[in-house]
Amino acid sequence: AQSVTQLDSQVPVFEEAPVELRCNYSSSVSVYLFWYVQYPNQGLQLLLKYLSGSTLVKGINGFEAEFNKSQTSFHLRKPSVHISDTAEYFCAVSGNTGFQKLVFGTGTRLLVSP
Amino acid sequence: DTGVSQNPRHKITKRGQNVTFRCDPISEHNRLYWYRQTLGQGPEFLTYFQNEAQLEKSRLLSDRFSAERPKGSFSTLEIQRTEQGDSAMYLCASSPGSGRGDTGELFFGEGSRLTVL
Repeated sequence: AQSVTQLDSQVPVFEEAPVELRCNYSSSVSVYLFWYVQYPNQGLQLLLKYLSGSTLVKGINGFEAEFNKSQTSFHLRKPSVHISDTAEYFCAVSGNTGFQKLVFGTGTRLLVSP
Repeated sequence: DTGVSQNPRHKITKRGQNVTFRCDPISEHNRLYWYRQTLGQGPEFLTYFQNEAQLEKSRLLSDRFSAERPKGSFSTLEIQRTEQGDSAMYLCASSPGSGRGDTGELFFGEGSRLTVL
């Protein structure tokens, strides 16, 4: 079974500042990793995913994440945030053998202020 | 491009009533999932279908909950004798399915919010 820990429930940041949202996972098998974003009153939208290969993955809206197997982490970063990035961000993990359901963390609310 | 569609978007009901939610997945997707999201929490897996077969159910899915996907297309989630603890956002998602390049990525609908008074 897999599990995900998002250490920060809320991250306040000023516009144009860099941000890092932390995600750690636990799994007994190799994994796929995902970051989803949820804007108010909307469904979850995929930001980026790690399946294999390069550990640095780039997603939409200027976000990127780095898979670190030794630290079992998949932190999300953006060098300069915008007001429009204010949303809830969820890290998720699934095993990569057979069917493995997607398991989500509790989410991190990113609050960008002017 | 037609994404995952869920209806109704909002449902307010009194305790003890039955409610039903419908999900229309992306048309070529074989797998369909139901998740539940409560305030301040991430989505929690409830159940999933491969075509019309319900292959896994979470312990969260009590006997009052039933999900169907009769023709392998749309799905319904019914909650009988609703309780206040059932208040949540019910999310539907779909994915291509095995043999179709399924990477585990889920495509979500906008959810159906249930409020039980």
